[in-house]
Amino acid sequence: DTGVSQDPRHKITKRGQNVTFRCDPISEHNRLYWYRQTLGQGPEFLTYFQNEAQLEKSRLLSDRFSAERPKGSFSTLEIQRTEQGDSAMYLCASSLSQNFEKLFFGSGTQLSVL
Amino acid sequence: GEDVEQSLFLSVREGDSSVINCTYTDSSSTYLYWYKQEPGAGLQLLTYIFSNMDMKQDQRLTVLLNKKDKHLSLRIADTQTGDSAIYFCAENPSGNTPLVFGKGTRLSVIA
Repeated sequence: DTGVSQDPRHKITKRGQNVTFRCDPISEHNRLYWYRQTLGQGPEFLTYFQNEAQLEKSRLLSDRFSAERPKGSFSTLEIQRTEQGDSAMYLCASSLSQNFEKLFFGSGTQLSVL
Repeated sequence: GEDVEQSLFLSVREGDSSVINCTYTDSSSTYLYWYKQEPGAGLQLLTYIFSNMDMKQDQRLTVLLNKKDKHLSLRIADTQTGDSAIYFCAENPSGNTPLVFGKGTRLSVIA
């Protein structure tokens, strides 16, 4: 399978705990995106990388959220001191930067904060 | 800010045509997109249209773009039960920024 893969598929945690998600993009893609999706909503942009550089962060991304892409390949998204409002599907996507953004999405990590 | 607007639900009979509508926000969006999301899966790019076009046809899919009204539509001909999914309209404001998605239209196909 050469698509975008995300791990884990599901994560249940208690409020106040830290969680980390991983995304492996399509290998030749230099852009990697994190989106968040809640029930009945479309994906909301969180942040994106071009290679290892984090180029943009949404104001939705509070200080408790941090994302890295250390070698320009896989990425991690960490949420510290989770809150119930963080419960959502976290989607990763990748693309080749070109004239338009044809994003390839992973299946997501479903986070439930109890 | 303004939102990309879509109707939330659409129900059609198998074999009929489906038309999903979207109003986007930024007239400088270079491309407009339609993504499909099936249960438990990530989003999949269905089709896209360049902003200087007003129509694009791709097999059973027809995309219509009205730039004046910032209105985008997706027509699915001969709708099948496998087309049941959530369809998202998306734009890239100012042409080179991350995609902004609508809330999605849930299409239900009745056999």
